Amino acid sequence: KNQVEQSPQSLIILEGKNCTLQCNYTVSPFSNLRWYKQDTGRGPVSLTIMTFSENTKSNGRYTATLDADTKQSSLHITASQLSDSASYICVVTSSGTYKYIFGTGTRLKVLA
Amino acid sequence: NAGVTQTPKFQVLKTGQSMTLQCAQDMNHEYMSWYRQDPGMGLRLIHYSVGAGITDQGEVPNGYNVSRSTTEDFPLRLLSAAPSQTSVYFCASSYSTGGETEAFFGQGTRLTVV
Repeated sequence: KNQVEQSPQSLIILEGKNCTLQCNYTVSPFSNLRWYKQDTGRGPVSLTIMTFSENTKSNGRYTATLDADTKQSSLHITASQLSDSASYICVVTSSGTYKYIFGTGTRLKVLA
Repeated sequence: NAGVTQTPKFQVLKTGQSMTLQCAQDMNHEYMSWYRQDPGMGLRLIHYSVGAGITDQGEVPNGYNVSRSTTEDFPLRLLSAAPSQTSVYFCASSYSTGGETEAFFGQGTRLTVV
């Protein structure tokens, strides 16, 4: 069964600290993996998109990595800010389908 | 350029009532989809469309209907609302789902069925 699992479920860090969120997937055949940020009460907003051939992609203070062999991805947030408080969702697409498979997300809280 | 627009933002229905959630995009995207988001669960696909006149079921289609008469609009109809349909609904659009195609989400519709 195609699944996307994220860890941890929730995380609290102090402003200015770094953190890493994990995503493991069993989706096959793999097309791409996306990380989204979802603020409370808002729709998800794309942070990064990676295809099979990419193993790292950055968007400002956000850096995503992908290991297609182990089917793992991580999202690293550098020098966290209060505005980083949100849910971060990992989404994987299977080749030949039109369906995104969503993880349950990691809820990040950044404290001053 | 408004992106993906969903209306209404909030709605309360009584059990058995019907209603339509609206979704419109102005980016000429072929692919549009509807999701529901429930606490502790990832977004689940209700229905999707790969172009005008083409729709298909997702993971949780029961109790919902869709149509795609134009590229821009993809309304979601609740036929007879049930408390189990209390959720936050998101509409999304993109040129496709493959490669590095950007996918855009609306702001969501929070639906409560009493």
